[in-house]
Amino acid sequence: EVQLVESGGGLVQPGGSLRLSCAASGFSFSNYAMNWVRQAPGKGLEWVSAVSGSGANTYYADSVKGRFTLSRDNSKNTVYLQMSSLRVEDTAIYYCAKTGRATVLRGGVSDYWGQGTLVTVSS
Amino acid sequence: DIQMTQSPSSLSASVGDRVTITCRASQTISRYLNWYQQKPGKAPKVVIYDASSLQGGVPSRFSGSGSGTDFTLTISSLQPEDFATYYCQQTYITPYAFGQGTKLEIK
Repeated sequence: EVQLVESGGGLVQPGGSLRLSCAASGFSFSNYAMNWVRQAPGKGLEWVSAVSGSGANTYYADSVKGRFTLSRDNSKNTVYLQMSSLRVEDTAIYYCAKTGRATVLRGGVSDYWGQGTLVTVSS
Repeated sequence: DIQMTQSPSSLSASVGDRVTITCRASQTISRYLNWYQQKPGKAPKVVIYDASSLQGGVPSRFSGSGSGTDFTLTISSLQPEDFATYYCQQTYITPYAFGQGTKLEIK
């Protein structure tokens, strides 16, 4: 059974940093690209970032580029989202999602999702 | 960047109704279009991928069509468990934009 468990969310002040983790199990982790998607309170879904199965390629939304860094450790079946220079508008539930393929471009539906972790940026 | 526009933003319907939600991309995305269902307090769940492929375990009353810039999600006979918010998402090129969502409510 595929399982994705996010952790690391919490309350942080504007300008602060936080690292989210997503621990995966139940599939051959290195064979699949992974996405992060966020949802601000009462709002829609926003794609944040993606990493290829090997970890060699990463992609970011313009809203987080230069502030967030996505990485993965295939030996630990874990994806990490390092978030810095956090802003109030980064407040959201952050979901980790598995895709259906190793590469990010041209396809790769998010076929399994974690339960999400809440990040609150506030003074 | 590609923009995704869904319509309508909300929809009231009754059990047994046939409903259609549309999604338009600001430029061609071939068939790289997915549909997700989200219920309150839950993570999204994929129902249709690559425009018209039914995700495993999803009832056959769900169907998708379209290519290029215009896509539709159809539910042939609404069931009580189908009332939720639906999002389209393009995975043709990053950033992988979502539509703004369509909230399907019980009439």
